[in-house]
Amino acid sequence: DIQMTQSPSTLSASVGDRVTITCRASQSIVGWLAWYQQKPGEVPKLLIYQASRLESGVPSRFSGGGSGTEFTFTISSLQSDDFATYYCQQYSSFPLTFGGGTKVEIK
Amino acid sequence: VQLVESGGRLVQPGRSLRLSCATSGFTLSDYPMHWVRQAPGKGPEWVAVMSYDGSKEFYADSVKGRFTISRDISKKMLYLQMNSLRGGDTAVYYCARGGFGLWPTNLWFHYWGQGTLVTVSS
Repeated sequence: DIQMTQSPSTLSASVGDRVTITCRASQSIVGWLAWYQQKPGEVPKLLIYQASRLESGVPSRFSGGGSGTEFTFTISSLQSDDFATYYCQQYSSFPLTFGGGTKVEIK
Repeated sequence: VQLVESGGRLVQPGRSLRLSCATSGFTLSDYPMHWVRQAPGKGPEWVAVMSYDGSKEFYADSVKGRFTISRDISKKMLYLQMNSLRGGDTAVYYCARGGFGLWPTNLWFHYWGQGTLVTVSS
């Protein structure tokens, strides 16, 4: 199984900050990676697929990059609506696996 | 796109349950369809997928041999038959549509339902 390791697990930041989350795969997943946002009590929401492709309607302050085993997710200027937990997910091989999540908190 | 799950409830360990997912707004035979679960306070866990043409099914090791994914194209429904339920199966179960493009490069979770809660307890 491919293990996905996200860091940090918790991140404290202020509105306007640039925030970066890292996701590392235990083996190469090429670019088959997605990122999701989940707010408390809500359903996960797709933000990015294929490592860097922004889902329609998602603000451009969100971006993704990387390939192989190292991936990043960046919020260029954190907004109040962005405080949530973010998950990466690989779809290179079965079983499909998620990272452990990064909770973005208000500083 | 709409996905509406149903069938979740309190069930005793060892018993069976079938979840349903009513789909609309897209053609079921054009996309892979997943079940994903999330235990209370935990991250999401992929459970099972059926390929767009219904020819392939894949399962998480934790449910292999106990759960079966199926669909009824004419009714636009996706199902998850869950047998020999355990306490560790307690979770909100989501039906999710896969992405566009070619199998198996479209296996992200593009749209999610609201989920249905399965509680396994005596």
